[in-house]
Amino acid sequence: GAVVSQHPSWVICKSGTSVKIECRSLDFQATTMFWYRQFPKQSLMLMATSNEGSKATYEQGVEKDKFLINHASLTLSTLTVTSAHPEDSSFYICSALGLAGAASREQFFGPGTRLTVL
Amino acid sequence: GENVEQHPSTLSVQEGDSAVIKCTYSDSASNYFPWYKQELGKRPQLIIDIRSNVGEKKDQRIAVTLNKTAKHFSLHITETQPEDSAVYFCAVHGPPNAGGTSYGKLTFGQGTILTVHP
Repeated sequence: GAVVSQHPSWVICKSGTSVKIECRSLDFQATTMFWYRQFPKQSLMLMATSNEGSKATYEQGVEKDKFLINHASLTLSTLTVTSAHPEDSSFYICSALGLAGAASREQFFGPGTRLTVL
Repeated sequence: GENVEQHPSTLSVQEGDSAVIKCTYSDSASNYFPWYKQELGKRPQLIIDIRSNVGEKKDQRIAVTLNKTAKHFSLHITETQPEDSAVYFCAVHGPPNAGGTSYGKLTFGQGTILTVHP
């Protein structure tokens, strides 16, 4: 089946620093990737939609200058949390929609990255 | 945008009993309805999905029903087992935007914590 990886699986950083999270589709090409944020005991909230070779589309209320998304290839999207603060601490999950997935609509989820900002 | 409501927020059953989780949505153009199981700290796992042209789908102990007129769909788990204990999320996949350049988004319900007691 389709496999999506994320790196790192967890990260602890100091307030004010930037953190980069990678999302890779390992065995398929992903034209579209999605980034979600999940706070403890809450649901997944879509942050942005990332399309290969174009600018990401951000959801209302998500600061595009704070959460930088780059989708430079069909297998890699990155999310950079700039000037992180404790309130950015969360579980960040990516998902990928494959070329075949575009018709099936199934999104393949990465394992998530636990970000803790001190 | 799409509004998804999921009930109940918690559900406790005895092993062997059935469990039912319900979701309602607002956009009648939504066309794909997946259900996910998420264990603590893990990625969401697709357990079953249904498309708007189908009223019911079953996979062993799991079934999903869809009522497009009423805009609600339900997850049914029969013969529950302790390993079914997890958080379950419904999701709704909306249609692409009018220009067809943005793929439909997945909006998640609030989640249901299912506990199956041995």
